Amino acid sequence: AQSVDQPDAHVTLSEGASLELRCSYSYSAAPYLFWYVQYPGQSLQFLLKYITGDTVVKGTKGFEAEFRKSNSSFNLKKSPAHWSDSAKYFCALASSGSWQLIFGSGTQLTVMP
Amino acid sequence: EAAVTQSPRSKVAVTGGKVTLSCHQTNNHDYMYWYRQDTGHGLRLIHYSYVADSTEKGDIPDGYKASRPSQENFSLILELASLSQTAVYFCASSDSAETLYFGSGTRLTVL
Repeated sequence: AQSVDQPDAHVTLSEGASLELRCSYSYSAAPYLFWYVQYPGQSLQFLLKYITGDTVVKGTKGFEAEFRKSNSSFNLKKSPAHWSDSAKYFCALASSGSWQLIFGSGTQLTVMP
Repeated sequence: EAAVTQSPRSKVAVTGGKVTLSCHQTNNHDYMYWYRQDTGHGLRLIHYSYVADSTEKGDIPDGYKASRPSQENFSLILELASLSQTAVYFCASSDSAETLYFGSGTRLTVL
């Protein structure tokens, strides 16, 4: 069965620090992986995706993520973090040929000014 | 700009009543989805559609029906609303599995 795990429900750091939000997945074939962000009171917005090719993908708002097949991870990174990055971040997985995204439970990020 | 519009923004319903949530997209996308988000959790797929007049069950379809009368419109129907269906509901559209565009959500409270 496919699944996505975001082990950190909450992450707090200071502005200017580097952030890394963890995401691991379970899927037997080649995955499509995504990060979405949800700002307070808003809907989800697309940040970036990995389909194939370069294992480091860059997205909007200065974020990037690294796909590591060896440990089935797709961690989101940004340096430096800004207070405006405070939001809930969701990792998601789609199997190739599927129209369905499976979301992780999300990581609430708080960046202290 | 492409958009996904949901209505209503919020709704209070009584247990056993019928609720219809509406979604309209101007993205010209073939795929549309209904997700629910419970406090502190991720999104779970209820129903989806990849063509007008056809809907498919997602991961948690029980207690929900969906209708896709046109490419632009996708409704979620709760025939007999229950307390457990209190949640925020998101509609989304996409032209493939790759990137979803979400509406602003509908907060449903069932009393």
